[in-house]
Amino acid sequence: DQQVKQNSPSLSVQEGRISILNCDYTNSMFDYFLWYKKYPAEGPTFLISISSIKDKNEDGRFTVFLNKSAKHLSLHIVPSQPGDSAVYFCAASDNTGKLIFGQGTTLQVKP
Amino acid sequence: GAGVSQTPSNKVTEKGKYVELRCDPISGHTALYWYRQSLGQGPEFLIYFQGTGAADDSGLPNDRFFAVRPEGSVSTLKIQRTERGDSAVYLCASSLLASGPHETQYFGPGTRLLVL
Repeated sequence: DQQVKQNSPSLSVQEGRISILNCDYTNSMFDYFLWYKKYPAEGPTFLISISSIKDKNEDGRFTVFLNKSAKHLSLHIVPSQPGDSAVYFCAASDNTGKLIFGQGTTLQVKP
Repeated sequence: GAGVSQTPSNKVTEKGKYVELRCDPISGHTALYWYRQSLGQGPEFLIYFQGTGAADDSGLPNDRFFAVRPEGSVSTLKIQRTERGDSAVYLCASSLLASGPHETQYFGPGTRLLVL
């Protein structure tokens, strides 16, 4: 039972344009959500997070939106840069501390 | 400062052998987590420690897997009688506290385990 789903395995965008990565979840007990970025042969690197009491959190070029009623969140990257090319994981947590990850979306930003 | 380190970076073993994977968390971090990532999947939770004790081991797949953290710092994940299905990247993460989900988990580079 996949509680966190990233339905798009890959995404390709042009440099300078917006990248939108999507994530859906099923467990209504999740109250904290995170995005991690992963380069090959490295561990996941924390990008940005959002608590369920908010619907938007912004950090520089990265913005996460949360729609609790739809159990959906998205990560917007604007403008996209070639260095953003990586695998992006959505993760969710309830009050236990452990993270439940999606399958990942591979983003390619073309120069 | 230094991040989370994991050794070895790669491990090749034969089916049925015993392996140990080591994790050195960020200094001062009291919470430590182990995850496993299979090809094409996201990391999957195995176990987490708060200090020396295992606070949640619900993700360990079976009794061939166990982990220790005897002094509340370094942790070792131990796999007995390895099977080919155990082949994966084993990731370790640490966070400052384990008081709730709002502590960011910082990941190490992982150990790539291949069971032949």
